[in-house]
Amino acid sequence: DQQVKQNSPSLSVQEGRISILNCDYTNSMFDYFLWYKKYPAEGPTFLISISSIKDKNEDGRFTVFLNKSAKHLSLHIVPSQPGDSAVYFCAASGGYNDMRFGAGTRLTVKP
Amino acid sequence: NAGVTQTPKFRVLKTGQSMTLLCAQDMNHEYMYWYRQDPGMGLRLIHYSVGEGTTAKGEVPDGYNVSRLKKQNFLLGLESAAPSQTSVYFCASSPAGLGQETQYFGPGTRLLVL
Repeated sequence: DQQVKQNSPSLSVQEGRISILNCDYTNSMFDYFLWYKKYPAEGPTFLISISSIKDKNEDGRFTVFLNKSAKHLSLHIVPSQPGDSAVYFCAASGGYNDMRFGAGTRLTVKP
Repeated sequence: NAGVTQTPKFRVLKTGQSMTLLCAQDMNHEYMYWYRQDPGMGLRLIHYSVGEGTTAKGEVPDGYNVSRLKKQNFLLGLESAAPSQTSVYFCASSPAGLGQETQYFGPGTRLLVL
């Protein structure tokens, strides 16, 4: 029962263009959403988060959008850089110690 | 400031053998977590701890035990390893509970059970 789904295993974009990573969830009790970035042989690192009371959160080149009615969130990276090439995990939390992760999307940014 | 460290980085076990994975954090965080990551799946929570001396079950606790004798350390034990426990194990810590604070992850332990 995967409550958080990232349907695109991989994404390839050209340097300087926009990268859009998508995430869908099924549990309407989720109220806090996060994106983590993971390089090979390293643990995930926090990128950006959004609370369910907001529909957008921005941090530099990274913007997360939340559409609660569609149970969908997306991560926009503008402009994309080769150093952004990594696996991106979407995560959602609905309780004090409950966190569900998507399977990840591998982003490749080509120079 | 090392953050979250994990020992060992890689281990091969035979079915039925036991081992302990060690996680250490130097950020004085109250909360610590053990996850496993399998191909095509997201990270899944095995066990967690909300403070020294406390532990609780996560989403996939069967076949694992944990202990938090010291605030900075969180141990994950496999008493009798099975091939289904072949995975990459990540430890994480946070100053507050999930959904309130982000987590800081260690680099992972790759475990192969033959």
